[in-house]
Amino acid sequence: EDKVVQSPLSLVVHEGDTVTLNCSYEVTNFRSLLWYKQEKKAPTFLFMLTSSGIEKKSGRLSSILDKKELFSILNITATQTGDSAVYLCAHSNSGGGADGLTFGKGTHLIIQP
Amino acid sequence: EAQVTQNPRYLITVTGKKLTVTCSQNMNHEYMSWYRQDPGLGLRQIYYSMNVEVTDKGDVPEGYKVSRKEKRNFPLILESPSPNQTSLYFCASMAGPGQTNTGELFFGEGSRLTVL
Repeated sequence: EDKVVQSPLSLVVHEGDTVTLNCSYEVTNFRSLLWYKQEKKAPTFLFMLTSSGIEKKSGRLSSILDKKELFSILNITATQTGDSAVYLCAHSNSGGGADGLTFGKGTHLIIQP
Repeated sequence: EAQVTQNPRYLITVTGKKLTVTCSQNMNHEYMSWYRQDPGLGLRQIYYSMNVEVTDKGDVPEGYKVSRKEKRNFPLILESPSPNQTSLYFCASMAGPGQTNTGELFFGEGSRLTVL
């Protein structure tokens, strides 16, 4: 059974800090790892990492995939209160397809002013 | 505007009273799926569909049914709801292998269901 484990489960930091969120996975057939941000509504897509794309960056957010050690990290620099959310990591065994998506339990990030 | 629409957004019902949560997407996506989200358990997949008339069980299918008669619609049916099905439900869709696929799963706004 595929497993995705995120840590920490919750994190409180001050505005301007840099945070690193972790996601480790144990899967039978790795295809891609996805990151989502969930505020008080539906999750929104951040990044997809695959064997051919192990590093992604968008503004203050960046993510890397370590296929050897079976983990990914999501980095947020110069955090803002609007970054407060639950961050979800998910593994897909079909290149991102909805059929094989296994989510971790999420990291609840709180940014204090 | 690309979107996944779920209805109802909020529902309180009683044990045993059949209900359907509708889901519709306007992106011509092949993949559609249903998730439930519970505190401490994260998002868990209930059922998914890879195309019309093709559905399969996810991790927690017991007590649920789905159908995919048209590409755009993927209703979730609770034939005899029980209190342990009280949860936040998300419908989602994604492009299929023959479509431009960025890996993004598009979620609906969620349906909060309470079964008394």
